[in-house]
Amino acid sequence: GAGVSQSPSNKVTEKGKDVELRCDPISGHTALYWYRQSLGQGLEFLIYFQGNSAPDKSGLPSDRFSAERTGGSVSTLTIQRTQQEDSAVYLCASSLAATLGDEQFFGPGTRLTVL
Amino acid sequence: AQSVAQPEDQVNVAEGNPLTVKCTYSVSGNPYLFWYVQYPNRGLQFLLKYITGDNLVKGSYGFEAEFNKSQTSFHLKKPSALVSDSALYFCAVSDFSGSARQLTFGSGTQLTVLP
Repeated sequence: GAGVSQSPSNKVTEKGKDVELRCDPISGHTALYWYRQSLGQGLEFLIYFQGNSAPDKSGLPSDRFSAERTGGSVSTLTIQRTQQEDSAVYLCASSLAATLGDEQFFGPGTRLTVL
Repeated sequence: AQSVAQPEDQVNVAEGNPLTVKCTYSVSGNPYLFWYVQYPNRGLQFLLKYITGDNLVKGSYGFEAEFNKSQTSFHLKKPSALVSDSALYFCAVSDFSGSARQLTFGSGTQLTVLP
């Protein structure tokens, strides 16, 4: 079966522009996560969706960041008014049901470069 | 709060020799521990996890890890390293408490296996 897919694989944008990053989780996985991987910061949790529950947004670094998950499947991470410090690889992961110990399966990531 | 420490940024080992990648953790509840591997320009791949039970956990590609509660460690090991094992390794922990299910990752250890 297909794994987690993300698009685009690379995105170059100018400072101040908005960007949208897409994640398609593994079919049947109810939990979806966004992480950010950047030099010097390691892997940072951004946001978590579980089924139809309200998302956990505790990791979002500023109100310029938002995410939604439509129909319990595809998710879009939106960054408004991008800044150079937003440059990073954005990773999406999904897991079966977010029960205790479920491993997360990661997509290949979107490399965002803000000029 | 939960945290993970990977004290070595870089580990070099000769092919055929045993390898160890170190990880220590801190959580308030019961720890759920994971190892992931990242190859260049790829997403993270799950290697193994500790949830409960035997302290020695076996995973993919011949890797294993030993959970040591008294030392709060979860070191990754392999009896005989391969050049193809060269990659970036991440340890992660969660106690799955509260509403969030995110993993907290260590800073990563770059493993280089020399032919």
